[in-house]
Amino acid sequence: LAKTTQPISMDSYEGQEVNITCSHNNIATNDYITWYQQFPSQGPRFIIQGYKTKVTNEVASLFIPADRKSSTLSLPRVSLSDTAVYYCLVPNTGFQKLVFGTGTRLLVSP
Amino acid sequence: DVKVTQSSRYLVKRTGEKVFLECVQDMDHENMFWYRQDPGLGLRLIYFSYDVKMKEKGDIPEGYSVSREKKERFSLILESASTNQTSMYLCASRGRINEKLFFGSGTQLSVL
Repeated sequence: LAKTTQPISMDSYEGQEVNITCSHNNIATNDYITWYQQFPSQGPRFIIQGYKTKVTNEVASLFIPADRKSSTLSLPRVSLSDTAVYYCLVPNTGFQKLVFGTGTRLLVSP
Repeated sequence: DVKVTQSSRYLVKRTGEKVFLECVQDMDHENMFWYRQDPGLGLRLIYFSYDVKMKEKGDIPEGYSVSREKKERFSLILESASTNQTSMYLCASRGRINEKLFFGSGTQLSVL
């Protein structure tokens, strides 16, 4: 399984860009990288997914270097409502056991 | 959008009771998952199922069993509830490999 490693926590201020990096050294060739956001007392929800280079949607960008051993979630100009836990998930293709890492707790202050 | 529905938002049970947590998804997904979440411990996989009547153990299956008799429904069973099973339980589903997971709102179970 491609184990993921993320920082336990990060602090930021409103209006700043936040970059959260996830390491996944054993990623398999066909694995996609997916990021989820979780607010207290709710289930995680999908933010963004990518395979290589850069993916952007209305919420975030995802940067994946050529070796794919890490990925960086970029949140532009965060607001207080972006305070949440962020998880990266890298499954083993063909293997359905989806194990989450510890996630990164992001705290955005005024 | 996909809907994953967990039968109860809050549940209080007594030690030794048999507890059923139900999860239903409406998108014909093959794969369903049960996680528990405790403060500081993140999401831990209990069991998952990749087809009707098929199940696989996750990282913490002890004290739990599951049932998947129909594709849309995945049940988590606590045969004899204990206080250390007090937790938030989250159900999730997804279609094929590399498709995103959809989570339910969770069931906060308290075992007294």
